[in-house]
Amino acid sequence: EIVLTQSPGTLSLSPGERATLSCRASQSVSSSYLAWYQQKPGQAPRLLIYGASSRATGIPDRFSGSGSGTDFTLTISRLEPEDFAVYYCQQYGSSSWTFGQGTKVEIK
Amino acid sequence: EVQLVQSGAEVKKPGESLKISCKGSGYSFTSYWIGWVRQMPGKGLEWMGIIYPGDSDTRYSPSFQGQVTISADKSISTAYLQWSSLKASDTAMYYCARPSDYYAYGMDVWGQGTTVTVSS
Repeated sequence: EIVLTQSPGTLSLSPGERATLSCRASQSVSSSYLAWYQQKPGQAPRLLIYGASSRATGIPDRFSGSGSGTDFTLTISRLEPEDFAVYYCQQYGSSSWTFGQGTKVEIK
Repeated sequence: EVQLVQSGAEVKKPGESLKISCKGSGYSFTSYWIGWVRQMPGKGLEWMGIIYPGDSDTRYSPSFQGQVTISADKSISTAYLQWSSLKASDTAMYYCARPSDYYAYGMDVWGQGTTVTVSS
């Protein structure tokens, strides 16, 4: 089973700043099958990025994803107040999905 | 509108059984996998397992194999997650979600979640 490790655990930033979140896999992940989600308190997760770098429908272009192999990154170019949330990476392979443990982006 | 609607909150005692549901609408229910995700209080997301309602092909995370049963009734577009004997450690929010091949098996549609509380 592939293990995804996200870092940092918490990111303290101010609105307007750039956020860089990391997701590292225990073995190579097909880039086609790496996704990122946003979850706000009391809400279900929302798909942001799929295929490592493609934005899901309706996702603002300040969100971008990159990476390949075992190292992936989610970047939020300029944080808006509504972006403070928890972010999870997820991989799919052989009819099995795993999530990272999450990175909380909090207001500094 | 494509949506997944889950059954309501449950409060159970240890040792009791439980079956929660997830009803799909607005799309071809038999053409997409439906997965279940656990979120324990204050914790992250854990993938539990998944079913393809078209042929009932079911896969489980090793962490949940033997602990829960996933099923589906395609005649009513509903997937289920069940326990035969609940434990206090099953207290969590449970989400159903739909992976889409359009989104490279990212989960683009989520249910609203079902809170399960197990307490004596």
